[in-house]
Amino acid sequence: DAGITQSPRHKVTETGTPVTLRCHQTENHRYMYWYRQDPGHGLRLIHYSYGVKDTDKGEVSDGYSVSRSKTEDFLLTLESATSSQTSVYFCAISDVGEKLFFGSGTQLSVL
Amino acid sequence: KQEVTQIPAALSVPEGENLVLNCSFTDSAIYNLQWFRQDPGKGLTSLLLIQSSQREQTSGRLNASLDKSSGRSTLYIAASQPGDSATYLCAVDGSGTASKLTFGTGTRLQVTL
Repeated sequence: DAGITQSPRHKVTETGTPVTLRCHQTENHRYMYWYRQDPGHGLRLIHYSYGVKDTDKGEVSDGYSVSRSKTEDFLLTLESATSSQTSVYFCAISDVGEKLFFGSGTQLSVL
Repeated sequence: KQEVTQIPAALSVPEGENLVLNCSFTDSAIYNLQWFRQDPGKGLTSLLLIQSSQREQTSGRLNASLDKSSGRSTLYIAASQPGDSATYLCAVDGSGTASKLTFGTGTRLQVTL
């Protein structure tokens, strides 16, 4: 998967708890992204990063925050998980105008 | 707001058949378009990327075309094989720097023996 590791691969949590998903890359790509995939909606961009400490919102950013303290790591945090955040979360990386490479995904269930 | 549509949602063809998958988008101001493949329970694999200035890209048995002015792209798969069975997604990039893609919901392809 082009040197992208997502952790954990599966997580079950309860409503109201904080959750952090991690994405690690070994490709030194500038851009990193978090997408969520839901039936009927396809993939939607949550947040992205264009460098260390440089992040911006995507289409569905409410309820999510991100951080990028190192080039290789991009964290997605659900401050207080809700059932509507049950989804499959994908991390992706790219350089400017180039193909996106995706990780294997994290299946998150919020009960 | 950009919207990407893929029709049909599902397609079943016999092995060996040539097939075309369709993608349409509402805003023609795009920088590039990508076609991805997704196998069940897996991440996405980028198959082809077409820049807005290009008309088509080819990789092996795959050929993708882009008509930006009409908001359409097609993915042509030649001599389909059972291993081609997967969901195919198209996505457009309207940003030009970060690849903030807008995805279609995909076409689920099954190639039967």
